[in-house]
Amino acid sequence: DGGITQSPKYLFRKEGQNVTLSCEQNLNHDAMYWYRQDPGQGLRLIYYSQIVNDFQKGDIAEGYSVSREKKESFPLTVTSAQKNPTAFYLCASSREGGKREAFFGQGTRLTVV
Amino acid sequence: EDQVTQSPEALRLQEGESSSLNCSYTVSGLRGLFWYRQDPGKGPEFLFTLYSAGEEKEKERLKATLTKKESFLHITAPKPEDSATYLCAVQAFGAGGTSYGKLTFGQGTILTVHP
Repeated sequence: DGGITQSPKYLFRKEGQNVTLSCEQNLNHDAMYWYRQDPGQGLRLIYYSQIVNDFQKGDIAEGYSVSREKKESFPLTVTSAQKNPTAFYLCASSREGGKREAFFGQGTRLTVV
Repeated sequence: EDQVTQSPEALRLQEGESSSLNCSYTVSGLRGLFWYRQDPGKGPEFLFTLYSAGEEKEKERLKATLTKKESFLHITAPKPEDSATYLCAVQAFGAGGTSYGKLTFGQGTILTVHP
C-alpha cells in the first residue's frame, strides 16, 4: 500500500539533546512537508521540499533542520536550539502538478523530559 | 498573508441533527481549498479539494461548498463516528502563477456527535 510512514510514534527527548524524526513516502511525490501541531492551534509549517537536495524554511523553522537526499525521505531534526519542542509533528507529501492535495503520516509525538 | 478562520471552535450535535462548519479565508490567489478530518492522535485524513467558487463535493454524509470568501462543510444526519476535528486549509498561487504547495490551516472545528 502506498503511503507515508513516520517513526517513531512517540519520542522522548532530554534537555539539550538533538533528535531526528523519520518520514518516508512511497507515493512518488515530489514535495514533502513538516508541520507542527499544538493544542488549540492549527498546523504550522516548519520546512518543505519540492525536489531532492532542495528545501525551504516555513513559518517556524528556528531550532529545526532537515535534509532531502532521496525523493522518498525527508527527516526532521529537532535541535537543542528549539526552546519548546514538545508537540505533535506531522509529515506530508504531495504531487507538484495536477491534484495537489497533501497526504499525511500518522504523526510523531515528541515530549521533552 | 494567507489566513484561514474556522467556526465554530467546537460543535456538539445529536445523532441525526444536521449542521454546517464554516471556513473563512483570505488568500492572494486561491489554488485550492482542502478539507481534512483528524481523529485524536492521528494524522489528518484528506476529504475534499475545491478549486473554484460554486464548486461542490460530496462524500457520504459530508458535502463541501466554496464561495470566493468561505467554504462550508455540511454534515447531514451525522452519526457518532463522524466525531472528529475537521480542518480547513488553503493553498495559494505563488509568484508567477506557480505554487509550492504550502497549505495554510485553520484551527479546526471539534465535532462531537452524541447518540
